[in-house]
Amino acid sequence: DAGVIQSPRHEVTEMGQEVTLRCKPISGHDYLFWYRQTMMRGLELLIYFNNNVPIDDSGMPEDRFSAKMPNASFSTLKIQPSEPRDSAVYFCASSLDVNEQFFGPGTRLTVL
Amino acid sequence: AQKITQTQPGMFVQEKEAVTLDCTYDTSDQSYGLFWYKQPSSGEMIFLIYQGSYDEQNATEGRYSLNFQKARKSANLVISASQLGDSAMYFCAMRDQSGGYQKVTFGTGTKLQVIP
Repeated sequence: DAGVIQSPRHEVTEMGQEVTLRCKPISGHDYLFWYRQTMMRGLELLIYFNNNVPIDDSGMPEDRFSAKMPNASFSTLKIQPSEPRDSAVYFCASSLDVNEQFFGPGTRLTVL
Repeated sequence: AQKITQTQPGMFVQEKEAVTLDCTYDTSDQSYGLFWYKQPSSGEMIFLIYQGSYDEQNATEGRYSLNFQKARKSANLVISASQLGDSAMYFCAMRDQSGGYQKVTFGTGTKLQVIP
C-alpha cells in the first residue's frame, strides 16, 4: 500500500486566500484524522471521521476551517480566508485498528 | 491538568547506550491506550509502540520497549542500543474514553540526539 497520501506537500499563500489540503487514506481504513502541528501548540487533533462521517470536530479552531470526506478515499481540509497564524504543518492520518494511526507526510502551510 | 506530560524537552545519549524517555499521563478512565511516535527531521510521524491499559506485560517492538507503570501513570519509552538514526523528536500520546475513544492526545515531545 502507498500509505496515506497528502497534497500538496508545501503551500505558500497570501493572507485572505482560500487554501485546500487534500488527503487520501490507506485503502480499507475507516477512520480519518486531521492534525495541525505548530511549535507553540504542538500536535492538535482538528477533526476525525468514521466511515466518512465527522465524529468530533471540537478541535477545529474557528469557522474559517472546514473539512469534508465525500467518499472513503478522499478528504479535504479547507481554510477560508487564511491568516498568518494558520501557518503550520497539517497531517492527515488514517486507521483501521484503534491501536495505531498511520500518518501522511504532512502539508507545510505558510500564510504570508 | 495536561493529559500527557513529557518533562524532558531534550536529551542526549551516546551511541549504543540505552535511553529512557519519560511520559506521564492523566485519565480517570479504566480503559485507555498509550502510544509512542517518532518524528525525524524529515517531518513524518512514525508509529513505534502501543500499550493498552489492560495489557499485563510491557509492550516491546524490537529495540523499543514501553515501561508501563499503571499506579504511577507513567509510560516511559526505553530505546536500547541507540543508533544515530534514532535522533528525532519522540511523542507520547494517549487515547481514552473522551472524544469517542479514537481521539488521541499528544505530549509536547522530547528531542533525542544520539552522539557518535
